[in-house]
Amino acid sequence: GAGVSQTPSNKVTEKGKYVELRCDPISGHTALYWYRQSLGQGPEFLIYFQGTGAADDSGLPNDRFFAVRPEGSVSTLKIQRTERGDSAVYLCASSLKGTGYNEQFFGPGTRLTVL
Amino acid sequence: GQQLNQSPQSMFIQEGEDVSMNCTSSSIFNTWLWYKQDPGEGPVLLIALYKAGELTSNGRLTAQFGITRKDSFLNISASIPSDVGIYFCAGPPIFSGGSNYKLTFGKGTLLTVNP
Repeated sequence: GAGVSQTPSNKVTEKGKYVELRCDPISGHTALYWYRQSLGQGPEFLIYFQGTGAADDSGLPNDRFFAVRPEGSVSTLKIQRTERGDSAVYLCASSLKGTGYNEQFFGPGTRLTVL
Repeated sequence: GQQLNQSPQSMFIQEGEDVSMNCTSSSIFNTWLWYKQDPGEGPVLLIALYKAGELTSNGRLTAQFGITRKDSFLNISASIPSDVGIYFCAGPPIFSGGSNYKLTFGKGTLLTVNP
């Protein structure tokens, strides 16, 4: 079956612009996660959705970052007034549910470059 | 934030050799996970460990959950060229309480296999 998909695969933008990154989770997965991976680092947790609600957004670095999942499936990560330090690969993952430990399946990521 | 220390940072080996890498933390983990990431892809789960002392194999891969619950190792036997990639340890630290979804990743070990 289809895995987690993310679009676009690459996004180049200018400092100060607004960007949206999209994630399509595996069908039937109720839990969805966003991570950010900087060069030479492991992924860092940003936010977790259980269904439509953001159950834990403690990893979002500041209020320029926001994510939604209005129908409990597709999610969009939104970054306002982008800064060069936002450049990274943004990974999305999904799992059957969020309670207990459930294997998280990762998408290929969106590489964001802020010039 | 929580740090997972992986060593070595990189390894260059000949095809057919065995490989060993490890991961340590100052905090106790409930679950230890080992992921592999290929260029342009998201991490893929290789092995999951759920209790102290557990030794688990997946083909040529073997991983162990340390007795102290603060470390884990991954061994790869008889390496082949497709083993090339970045290997990450990860897990939800015990201080995260019920947040078993909030994975902390190490910085990774880059493995290069010369044919």
